[in-house]
Amino acid sequence: EVQLLESGGDLTQPGGSLRLSCSASGFTFNKFAMSWVRQAPGKGLEWISVISSSGGSANYADSVQGRLIISRDNSKNTVYLQMNSLRVDDTAVYYCARTRGLERGYFDYWGQGTLVTVSS
Amino acid sequence: SYELTQPPSVSVSPGQTASITCSGDSLDNRFVYWYKQKAGQAPVLVIYEDKKRPSGIPERFSGANSGNTATLTISGTQTLDEAEYFCQAWDSKSYVFGSGTKVTVL
Repeated sequence: EVQLLESGGDLTQPGGSLRLSCSASGFTFNKFAMSWVRQAPGKGLEWISVISSSGGSANYADSVQGRLIISRDNSKNTVYLQMNSLRVDDTAVYYCARTRGLERGYFDYWGQGTLVTVSS
Repeated sequence: SYELTQPPSVSVSPGQTASITCSGDSLDNRFVYWYKQKAGQAPVLVIYEDKKRPSGIPERFSGANSGNTATLTISGTQTLDEAEYFCQAWDSKSYVFGSGTKVTVL
């Protein structure tokens, strides 16, 4: 059974940093791209980043380019999201999702999400 | 940037058919995917590549994509189908989601 478990969400001040983790199990992790998708309170889904199966390629949404960095450790079956210069509008539940295809793909399994709150 | 437009809400009686639309420029030139999200839960993929159902998704869920509009159809809608539904497509290095449609079964 595919399982994705996010952690690292917290309350932080504007300008602060956080690192989110997503631990995967139930599939061959190094064969799949992985993404982060977020959902602000009461809002829709927003894709923010994807990383290739090897970790050699990554793409970002324009809204987070330069502030968020995605990475992965295939030896630990874990994908990370380093979040810097956080803003109030980064407040959201952050989901990791297994991604079928680095481009032109989709998200076939999702974690339960971790809440990031940015507030002074 | 590319946009996908969905109606904010759809109401349907139990046992009837619910149709949820997703509109975007030349949408039939790309694959469309659909996700179901119940309140407080993570999204679940219900349709991929316009009309395919993942394992475990009931046959009452179907999809189509033609022209500028993709449609998710729920036949014989049940109360457990009440949720928000999001469409998704790909556009030049970015995954794009629709704004979501809340389906109410009453």
